[in-house]
Amino acid sequence: IAGITQAPTSQILAAGRRMTLRCTQDMRHNAMYWYRQDLGLGLRLIHYSNTAGTTGKGEVPDGYSVSRANTDDFPLTLASAVPSQTSVYFCASSEGLVGTDTQYFGPGTRLTVL
Amino acid sequence: DAKTTQPPSMDCAEGRAANLPCNHSTISGNEYVYWYRQIHSQGPQYIIHGLKNNETNEMASLIITEDRKSSTLILPHATLRDTAVYYCIVRSPRGETSGSRLTFGEGTQLTVNP
Repeated sequence: IAGITQAPTSQILAAGRRMTLRCTQDMRHNAMYWYRQDLGLGLRLIHYSNTAGTTGKGEVPDGYSVSRANTDDFPLTLASAVPSQTSVYFCASSEGLVGTDTQYFGPGTRLTVL
Repeated sequence: DAKTTQPPSMDCAEGRAANLPCNHSTISGNEYVYWYRQIHSQGPQYIIHGLKNNETNEMASLIITEDRKSSTLILPHATLRDTAVYYCIVRSPRGETSGSRLTFGEGTQLTVNP
């Protein structure tokens, strides 16, 4: 079982370019999440999806968009990248159970915007 | 979600038990204690969670005090591969419609020495 895969592993991007980070899970989890991790700021939630067809904003959604066309995939798009979006991006998923609900993380995408 | 306090760093000899403490004195009655770890350059890895009873799985044991104001994660036989940052997280149970984010603090850098 692969769990959660993310692509690309790393990317250097020119400012102003559009970029989509891919995330796929094979656990049939209902909920999926995108976080960014920056030194000194910990993990911050960008967007989430409780189930296919729905999405919601996290604490730092500006400059990012997501879609959830099916259960397995949850791509994150930067429409016009800026240097402040340089970060490590983690996708996570969970069953979406009411009550205790454990999130499992992917390996991350290291993005550098120049 | 309740705030947690962890020591910034700890050392442990390979093969010995690693005991990582966490204080969460403002925890509410329905909040869970979760532990994750993050090995350098990898995604956060779920370890264990509990509500009020002690828990054990193949990775670790979680001991929660009777008043639930603190807990200890125990790695019974630490190996070099257990060197990582360990995060103690207190979080509310997931609601039916809420997006459930994890809030990672600074964590404890555990270094397992040969």
